[in-house]
Amino acid sequence: DIVMTQTPLSSPVTLGQPASISCRSSQSLVNSDGNTYLSWLQQRPGQPPRLLIYKISKRFSGVPDRFSGSGAGTDFTLKISRVEAEDVGVYYCMQATQFPFSYTFGQGTKLEIK
Amino acid sequence: EVQLVESGGGLIQPGGSLRLSCAASGFTFSGYGMTWVRQAPGKGLEWVSSISDSGAGAYYADSVKGRFTISRDNSKNTLFLQMNSLRAEDTAVYYCARVTLAHWGQGTLVTVSS
Repeated sequence: DIVMTQTPLSSPVTLGQPASISCRSSQSLVNSDGNTYLSWLQQRPGQPPRLLIYKISKRFSGVPDRFSGSGAGTDFTLKISRVEAEDVGVYYCMQATQFPFSYTFGQGTKLEIK
Repeated sequence: EVQLVESGGGLIQPGGSLRLSCAASGFTFSGYGMTWVRQAPGKGLEWVSSISDSGAGAYYADSVKGRFTISRDNSKNTLFLQMNSLRAEDTAVYYCARVTLAHWGQGTLVTVSS
């Protein structure tokens, strides 16, 4: 099974400064259809998860453009260009490549304000 | 607007059974696969089970295989998760989501304890 490893697990950031979270998969996430099903989700305190990014770099509807995703193969990154107070929460990377209709999540990275 | 509303959670003794429901609205339910994801208290996200749009395909995490059964009633726009032989480690908030994980419910808490 594919293992998703995120770093760091905790990220204290100053408001207005950038933040970056890395995610590494134990196997390539390139699917046989040529797509890479790597997503990023945000979970604010007390809320269900929310999809931010899918297929490495595509922003979901309504997601601010300060969020961006990049990477390929086994290494992926979520960047926030300028952190705002509402960005506090836990961020998860997730793969949906290995099997149909199944998902593997990273451990989560807690973003907090310094 | 897509809405997913889970119900059926509660306190159950180890070895007991519980049936979760997820009422869907705002989209053509029969056109989408659906998924259950759970989150133990203070922990990360864990995929539990998914079902294809017709219900013909059902998929399970190893941790619940043989104990949980996913099903759906497309005439009633409702997703189900039958949970048998419950264990303490099944204690979690259970979320239903559309198969791309772009839309989530608010979750329902299942507590397995004597």
